[in-house]
Amino acid sequence: DVKVTQSSRYLVKRTGEKVFLECVQDMDHENMFWYRQDPGLGLRLIYFSYDVKMKEKGDIPEGYSVSREKKERFSLILESASTNQTSMYLCASSLWGGGRRADTQYFGPGTRLTVL
Amino acid sequence: SQQGEEDPQALSIQEGENATMNCSYKTSINNLQWYRQNSGRGLVHLILIRSNEREKHSGRLRVTLDTSKKSSSLLITASRAADTASYFCATDRYGNNRLAFGKGNQVVVIP
Repeated sequence: DVKVTQSSRYLVKRTGEKVFLECVQDMDHENMFWYRQDPGLGLRLIYFSYDVKMKEKGDIPEGYSVSREKKERFSLILESASTNQTSMYLCASSLWGGGRRADTQYFGPGTRLTVL
Repeated sequence: SQQGEEDPQALSIQEGENATMNCSYKTSINNLQWYRQNSGRGLVHLILIRSNEREKHSGRLRVTLDTSKKSSSLLITASRAADTASYFCATDRYGNNRLAFGKGNQVVVIP
């Protein structure tokens, strides 16, 4: 069965802290994604990766960085957390579709991050 | 309907009724996907329809795609309370394995 796990369901951090959100998939997928979801704004892509050590900026990369040292793990890093980064963070993975085709994405359960 | 710039739509129906929601997009696509999200959870893939397909069924779900109008609809027949969720459409318009998600339609099924 397909599985994407995220390290925490709920997380509370202080402004200025460095925050790590971890995502692991067990499907040998090439692509991994980090989104944030806010009411009225839908899903916005922060970063994605199509291979180990590769990363591409999404729509809102400012204030975030990512790391993909192993194929199954994709980490989102908030270098210095701010209150406007309070959000639901969703990780997803997919097979490499090749060319223009985008395959089905499998999502983790989400991490609700609150920055005080 | 959802298309990225519009506000999410909300639909409230009685159990047993059908629920229809729409999605429009602006650029050419290879496929369009529908996802469901239960409150506070991750998204779950429901169905994928390719650009050369006009209609697809999966259980109580029926998806149509009209590429000339750049629109899709999702029909849930004989709805159940468990169908209460937000439904998102997504297209592969970026062409590099990214998906572009709509803002979602919230459906409430009243028992």
